Amino acid sequence: KQEVTQIPAALSVPEGENLVLNCSFTDSAIYNLQWFRQDPGKGLTSLLLIQSSQREQTSGRLNASLDKSSGRSTLYIAASQPGDSATYLCAVNYGGSQGNLIFGKGTKLSVKP
Amino acid sequence: GAGVSQTPSNKVTEKGKYVELRCDPISGHTALYWYRQSLGQGPEFLIYFQGTGAADDSGLPNDRFFAVRPEGSVSTLKIQRTERGDSAVYLCASSLAGGNTIYFGEGSWLTVV
Repeated sequence: KQEVTQIPAALSVPEGENLVLNCSFTDSAIYNLQWFRQDPGKGLTSLLLIQSSQREQTSGRLNASLDKSSGRSTLYIAASQPGDSATYLCAVNYGGSQGNLIFGKGTKLSVKP
Repeated sequence: GAGVSQTPSNKVTEKGKYVELRCDPISGHTALYWYRQSLGQGPEFLIYFQGTGAADDSGLPNDRFFAVRPEGSVSTLKIQRTERGDSAVYLCASSLAGGNTIYFGEGSWLTVV
């Protein structure tokens, strides 16, 4: 069964810290991997998309890496801010169909001022 | 519209009743997706439309769930004989055909009592 696991389930850090969120997947034959942000009571916002042929993607203070051989991805957030507080979800597309994503349960991040 | 719009935002229904949830995608987006998210879990894929047709309905849990998109724009998710276990947030998303960036609505919170 294809599964996506995110560790830790929750993380609290002081403002300004750099942090890493982890995502692991059971099957390395992925099509792409995405990181999303979800604010309480809201939908999801796509942050970064990494194709299977890529190793990393960057957007502003965010950097996502992909290591298919080990079945892992990391989301690095530099100089965290209170506005970064949200749940971060990792989702894998195994190529079944566009949009058929398998999500992890997310990491709930709290950045304290 | 500016974003993906979902109605109703909240719905409380009695066990055994019929429910319809509506999704209005971003104008011009031919791909539309339905997901279900239970408390503390990541979203779970239900169905994906490309235009008017269901390209992948492998995530629908059973025959009580059905979705339509008759004109290739608005979609309705229909749940018959609702059960308490159907209580969740139902998320709709859309994208361009072949587009990797998926835009989510804020969801319809369904509670079955």
